[in-house]
Amino acid sequence: SQKIEQNSEALNIQEGKTATLTCNYTNYSPAYLQWYRQDPGRGPVFLLLIRENEKEKRKERLKVTFDTTLKQSLFHITASQPADSATYLCALVADSSYKLIFGSGTRLLVRP
Amino acid sequence: GAVVSQHPSRVICKSGTSVKIECRSLDFQATTMFWYRQFPKQSLMLMATSNEGSKATYEQGVEKDKFLINHASLTLSTLTVTSAHPEDSSFYICSANPGGIYSNQPQHFGDGTRLSIL
Repeated sequence: SQKIEQNSEALNIQEGKTATLTCNYTNYSPAYLQWYRQDPGRGPVFLLLIRENEKEKRKERLKVTFDTTLKQSLFHITASQPADSATYLCALVADSSYKLIFGSGTRLLVRP
Repeated sequence: GAVVSQHPSRVICKSGTSVKIECRSLDFQATTMFWYRQFPKQSLMLMATSNEGSKATYEQGVEKDKFLINHASLTLSTLTVTSAHPEDSSFYICSANPGGIYSNQPQHFGDGTRLSIL
């Protein structure tokens, strides 16, 4: 079956450290993968998109990698801040479709 | 940037009430919008694809008579939860893509509607 898996346990880190979140998928061959941030009671906000031919993408303190062999994407936040505390969702478009499928998200807590 | 507005943000009503939720694309036209439902600590689940001028496409297991979708203009889609019951309590979120459904541009989401049925 097709699955997108993110660590359901919250990631709790100290301010200033690098947060690394994982997204694994099975039985998909996405052309690209997206990461979103969701705050409590709010809709998701787009952060980064990485294509299958891109190994790495950066935006300010954010970095995303995409390994189509491992079927995995890693999302990094460097020099983390308490304001980075949120749930982070990975998403991909199902094969031959336009539908965006989301992982369950990982909650990040950055302690001051 | 592209903005999607959703209204109302919160609804609390009695069982049996029908509730309408609006989703508007404020600065772009959207022939297609998407409706998601999210239960606590769970992922967004696609309920249906709203198509301007034609019938919505529902995902498997979603009752079309329960969740009525109308997309009468290029900037407005509405989701009506008919005769809502406590099990319909959830967080409903809409989205749209300025580049169209097959675009690899990101989806833009509304801020969601928290529906609580007593």
